[in-house]
Amino acid sequence: QKEVEQDPGPLSVPEGAIVSLNCTYSNSAFQYFMWYRQYSRKGPELLMYTYSSGNKEDGRFTAQVDKSSKYISLFIRDSQPSDSATYLCAMTSQSGGYQKVTFGTGTKLQVIP
Amino acid sequence: GAVVSQHPSWVICKSGTSVKIECRSLDFQATTMFWYRQFPKQSLMLMATSNEGSKATYEQGVEKDKFLINHASLTLSTLTVTSAHPEDSSFYICSARDQGGNEKLFFGSGTQLSVL
Repeated sequence: QKEVEQDPGPLSVPEGAIVSLNCTYSNSAFQYFMWYRQYSRKGPELLMYTYSSGNKEDGRFTAQVDKSSKYISLFIRDSQPSDSATYLCAMTSQSGGYQKVTFGTGTKLQVIP
Repeated sequence: GAVVSQHPSWVICKSGTSVKIECRSLDFQATTMFWYRQFPKQSLMLMATSNEGSKATYEQGVEKDKFLINHASLTLSTLTVTSAHPEDSSFYICSARDQGGNEKLFFGSGTQLSVL
């Protein structure tokens, strides 16, 4: 079983829809949770960063963490064609004196005008 | 957010040549940088962890003599692909951790390497 599971998609939604992206994990030692957006042939861009259970909102984006269920989500409201990209979840845990980062496989999102 | 600059963005080279990729943290110091490889439609594969002033730590299956990493300063790490072959063609991405910013990880824009 992978430490982090993420549905690869692709996920197609109409413009204006609410998008829900999810990751589950098995390692209870994960401390920090991040969501990245990656356009084709570009480096990932940090969207959201959280470290506690609950919701964190930034504009159209809301990150949700449920440590008891080992589940994180990213919600995108009023989705736009420019949101079409691959979204990666990432989590960190302490390993041998430094923070180890584990990525999900990414979910490809397409927002149709 | 913090900026990580990666250069060059695209390299085409002949088989057998060596290619150097630079990764710079522009507005923060990074004692640790990471190098990843990404194949089309796949997620990031960690190759090695670069530590300032010491030897890099390579992931299992990554040839350290093939992929030379140097982290000479708190803002610069380099990856050299030695004697490149067509199978080394890939998208290489670096990242750096902002240790003054709650351990956030920022990525460079990536380097597409094509070996002919």
